[in-house]
Amino acid sequence: DAGITQSPRYKITETGRQVTLMCHQTWSHSYMFWYRQDLGHGLRLIYYSAAADITDKGEVPDGYVVSRSKTENFPLTLESATRSQTSVYFCASSGTGWDYGYTFGSGTRLTVV
Amino acid sequence: GENVEQHPSTLSVQEGDSAVIKCTYSDSASNYFPWYKQELGKRPQLIIDIRSNVGEKKDQRIAVTLNKTAKHFSLHITETQPEDSAVYFCAASKGGSYIPTFGRGTSLIVHP
Repeated sequence: DAGITQSPRYKITETGRQVTLMCHQTWSHSYMFWYRQDLGHGLRLIYYSAAADITDKGEVPDGYVVSRSKTENFPLTLESATRSQTSVYFCASSGTGWDYGYTFGSGTRLTVV
Repeated sequence: GENVEQHPSTLSVQEGDSAVIKCTYSDSASNYFPWYKQELGKRPQLIIDIRSNVGEKKDQRIAVTLNKTAKHFSLHITETQPEDSAVYFCAASKGGSYIPTFGRGTSLIVHP
């Protein structure tokens, strides 16, 4: 599972600051996703990308920006962090077809103070 | 869009007992149903999946059943062990769309 990596693992930032979470995969998977996980809410989709330069909103996109200039990278930016964005963020990737190998990264725990 | 309901939210069993987690989905076009296990502080990992053309699938102590008519699927864990303690997520997706909708998760606690 080392094929998808997230950085940093932990991040503390102040309200109003911009912060970028990184996600990198080595499988050349078409699809990449960002989720946030909060107690009682399960996994909520923030944004996803079907290919380089193609991104779309998920369930909770407000306050977040994504880009995908290269297939292997899918960074998530919080333009002006708020305390409500304190969460654990998971990146995931998948190929196409039935055995699409949907795999999660190890997560980033973000705290906004 | 698809809606996946998962029950119960918490399940407590004694070691050796069986555990069953149930999910219902709303979109009859969904045809792929994976289950993920997330241990404390770790990432969710796929443990078993089932496609809509199959009614049941087993892998050692875990099994998944699917009832397309009722639009529900279940995870069965037999002979539970303390290491089965984790949060389990079900999901549903449609062929041609690789964006699964997740249930809210079930926290399984296995008491030794």
